[in-house]
Amino acid sequence: DAGITQSPRHKVTETGTPVTLRCHQTENHRYMYWYRQDPGHGLRLIHYSYGVKDTDKGEVSDGYSVSRSKTEDFLLTLESATSSQTSVYFCAISADGGGLAAEQYFGPGTRLTVT
Amino acid sequence: AQTVTQSQPEMSVQEAETVTLSCTYDTSESDYYLFWYKQPPSRQMILVIRQEAYKQQNATENRFSVNFQKAAKSFSLKISDSQLGDAAMYFCAYRSAGANSKLTFGKGITLSVRP
Repeated sequence: DAGITQSPRHKVTETGTPVTLRCHQTENHRYMYWYRQDPGHGLRLIHYSYGVKDTDKGEVSDGYSVSRSKTEDFLLTLESATSSQTSVYFCAISADGGGLAAEQYFGPGTRLTVT
Repeated sequence: AQTVTQSQPEMSVQEAETVTLSCTYDTSESDYYLFWYKQPPSRQMILVIRQEAYKQQNATENRFSVNFQKAAKSFSLKISDSQLGDAAMYFCAYRSAGANSKLTFGKGITLSVRP
């Protein structure tokens, strides 16, 4: 299994509070991704990173920011959590952005509940 | 933009029987990859099988095989000799072959296996 951990694994927070989720990898992969999973929607890309300090938006990026100061860590921040951000969040990594080396491997997920 | 459609939200199969999960996609590209991911109750996303669009031969992985119809933009998953451990949510996904390509997921299908 790819060395990907996510922390915390579960979190309950109140509306309006900031929340940061962490993804940590030991594979030295260049690309990292954050997805959210909601019933009836599958997985949707929030943000991704193609290197240290290089990030870009996905299809559902509003209300989220990311940072990557080290190869191994990719942080997802909800500046002011809302109930619509209650979801399961997955991190993924890949060695490259195209071709067969772009195979993505997923972390175990974080269940976030915003009350 | 690419879209992936899984029109059946749920399916059921008798243990030891065969089941086929459907997926269609829409793209204007000629080179891409298609995937089936399995998500058991543990939430872990597990890659089941991958198909490269430039390969005419259908991919197989043990009891799992695909029927890839490029002209029809269809990519179905066949599970033979179904086992109780096959019960999970299955996601079809698409990724273009270009640089910085991103995964686009279908909404998923819940497969139950009857003993």
